[in-house]
Amino acid sequence: EPEVTQTPSHQVTQMGQEVILRCVPISNHLYFYWYRQILGQKVEFLVSFYNNEISEKSEIFDDQFSVERPDGSNFTLKIRSTKLEDSAMYFCASSEAPAASYEQYFGPGTRLTVT
Amino acid sequence: KQEVTQIPAALSVPEGENLVLNCSFTDSAIYNLQWFRQDPGKGLTSLLLIQSSQREQTSGRLNASLDKSSGRSTLYIAASQPGDSATYLCAEKETSGSRLTFGEGTQLTVNP
Repeated sequence: EPEVTQTPSHQVTQMGQEVILRCVPISNHLYFYWYRQILGQKVEFLVSFYNNEISEKSEIFDDQFSVERPDGSNFTLKIRSTKLEDSAMYFCASSEAPAASYEQYFGPGTRLTVT
Repeated sequence: KQEVTQIPAALSVPEGENLVLNCSFTDSAIYNLQWFRQDPGKGLTSLLLIQSSQREQTSGRLNASLDKSSGRSTLYIAASQPGDSATYLCAEKETSGSRLTFGEGTQLTVNP
């Protein structure tokens, strides 16, 4: 069964460093998303992406965040200068379309630890 | 702003029991509602999606219902098994926008 994959599974970085989290969405999906879950808190939406541009972003997704689809298969989230509060599990998701009948499928997540 | 709430936060039941998990949302302009399962330290596994035009959806031992007028969804698990132990999340998608808004989850423990 097709699935969303993410790499790395765990990333440790020092405060102020740049990190890139990678995702391979399901191959026939056109809509891509990033969410995060700080330990013990709700899953929060960051950004959605379609047709090589951001379609929606949350207030969390400020100038230190960016997303890119560098090729036909990968979807990346870049955090330019990490802060301690960026420590969280980051989930990538994809869907065929945003319509009501289409589920969002989530990857296993990347645990980001900022020290 | 849409708010999604799940009660209870935790639930412990003996194996074989039927149970209901609750999800409430504040905005009736709902597009669909998705139920997920999350195992400790793992990703989210989609269980069921119920569209705003539907009243319920079934998959195996799982049944999800949606009542837009009361702003509630329930996930019914029949004949629970220890393998059902996990955190169950509901997430709502509004008519406008692409984001899912998640509840806090209900941590379910099924005791053998």
